[in-house]
Amino acid sequence: EAGVAQSPRYKIIEKRQSVAFWCNPISGHATLYWYQQILGQGPKLLIQFQNNGVVDDSQLPKDRFSAERLKGVDSTLKIQPAKLEDSAVYLCASSRLAGGYEQFFGPGTRLTVL
Amino acid sequence: DQQVKQNSPSLSVQEGRISILNCDYTNSMFDYFLWYKKYPAEGPTFLISISSIKDKNEDGRFTVFLNKSAKHLSLHIVPSQPGDSAVYFCAARNPQGAQKLVFGQGTRLTINP
Repeated sequence: EAGVAQSPRYKIIEKRQSVAFWCNPISGHATLYWYQQILGQGPKLLIQFQNNGVVDDSQLPKDRFSAERLKGVDSTLKIQPAKLEDSAVYLCASSRLAGGYEQFFGPGTRLTVL
Repeated sequence: DQQVKQNSPSLSVQEGRISILNCDYTNSMFDYFLWYKKYPAEGPTFLISISSIKDKNEDGRFTVFLNKSAKHLSLHIVPSQPGDSAVYFCAARNPQGAQKLVFGQGTRLTINP
């Protein structure tokens, strides 16, 4: 069974630029999560999808972050415009069911905003 | 508002001895607790979990203990091996709404030969 795929693995941009991250979850997993992990902290949930619908986006900075999961499979997270404090690892995870049980994480995208 | 706390940023243990990682939480509504292990440049991987209705769960060298009255859980690794060197995150599930996981800050475990 292939794991969660993410790209790119690393991205360096200047503040006020835009960036997009892509995630392909494990086949058959209905729930997809995007987390932000700042250095020295644990992952923080940004948005949770159930199929192609948003279940929770309460911690997503909607003035600059957006995410979509068209067709209920892969997903894209976008930041526009980026700020210095957006420097972090962005993790995508998926699970077969909703409910916060065992989630499978991708390797993450390390974003550096200069 | 840090609902899940891992107060030890790092821990160093000799190979073969017991490693004990601790986690405290504040929300008594949490109903499910998980431990994840993370190697550098990789995503976290699930290690072991425990329901709030239990006080112990064991899987091979790994045992998780839950003390609900103290709002405290711990992960025991016996015996510790060099491959256990990683960052360990505890996470707790809020059963309300989207049933989100809340993660602690992580503890870096180093196993010395």
